[in-house]
Amino acid sequence: GAVVSQHPSRVICKSGTSVKIECRSLDFQATTMFWYRQFPKKSLMLMATSNEGSKATYEQGVEKDKFLINHASLTLSTLTVTSAHPEDSSFYICSASSLQPGRSPYEQYFGPGTRLTVT
Amino acid sequence: GENVEQHPSTLSVQEGDSAVIKCTYSDSASNYFPWYKQELGKRPQLIIDIRSNVGEKKDQRIAVTLNKTAKHFSLHITETQPEDSAVYFCAASFTGNQFYFGTGTSLTVIP
Repeated sequence: GAVVSQHPSRVICKSGTSVKIECRSLDFQATTMFWYRQFPKKSLMLMATSNEGSKATYEQGVEKDKFLINHASLTLSTLTVTSAHPEDSSFYICSASSLQPGRSPYEQYFGPGTRLTVT
Repeated sequence: GENVEQHPSTLSVQEGDSAVIKCTYSDSASNYFPWYKQELGKRPQLIIDIRSNVGEKKDQRIAVTLNKTAKHFSLHITETQPEDSAVYFCAASFTGNQFYFGTGTSLTVIP
C-alpha cells in the first residue's frame, strides 16, 4: 500500500497565530510532496510542490512567506500557515509521489486532509 | 500553466444508466491524466488513469478515453450504482510533476 497521514485532522486557531500541518508517508519514501487547498464543494487547488531537501515551488498567487513549506525528509513535509486569518480557513490536503522501484512515479497518494478554521 | 476544464458540474442519472464526464486541458506537454473520486470530507481516491501513449483504458465499469489532438479526455461509468454517487475530479500532469485539477463533477445516482 501507500499510506499518507496528516496531522492534525482538524485545527481551530485564533487570527494572527500560526499553525503547522504535518504530512507523512508511512510506508514509502516520498520523493515529491504536494500541498493543495480545497474550498467547500470546490476543486483542489495546487499550492506548492516540494522535493526532499530543496525549496518548494509555489504556484502563482500563493504567498510563500505565508504558507511555509518544509520537506526535511523523505517521509515528512510540513505546511505552516503564518499569521492566519479567517480567509485562510479551508481544507488542506497533501499528497506524495515516489520514485521507489515498484511504484509509479506518476501516481500521487493523498493524505486525509486537515480542516483549518481561523476564528 | 496548465488549465483543466471539466463538465458538467453536476450530473444526475438513474441507477443502471451510464455517466460521462468530460475534461479538456491546455498544455500539450501533459502526459498523465488521472481521475479521482472524492466523498464528502474524505481524501480523493484514484479510480483510473491514462497516459498519453494510450487512447483508451477500461477497468470493469469504468473507462477513460483520451484524444491528444483535441486535448480532451473523458470518464465513462456504466451500469451506475448508488455508491457511485460522489464528486469526481479529472487532473492533468506532466510525468507526475504538478497536478492540475478540473473543477469537479457532483454525480448523483438515483435508485
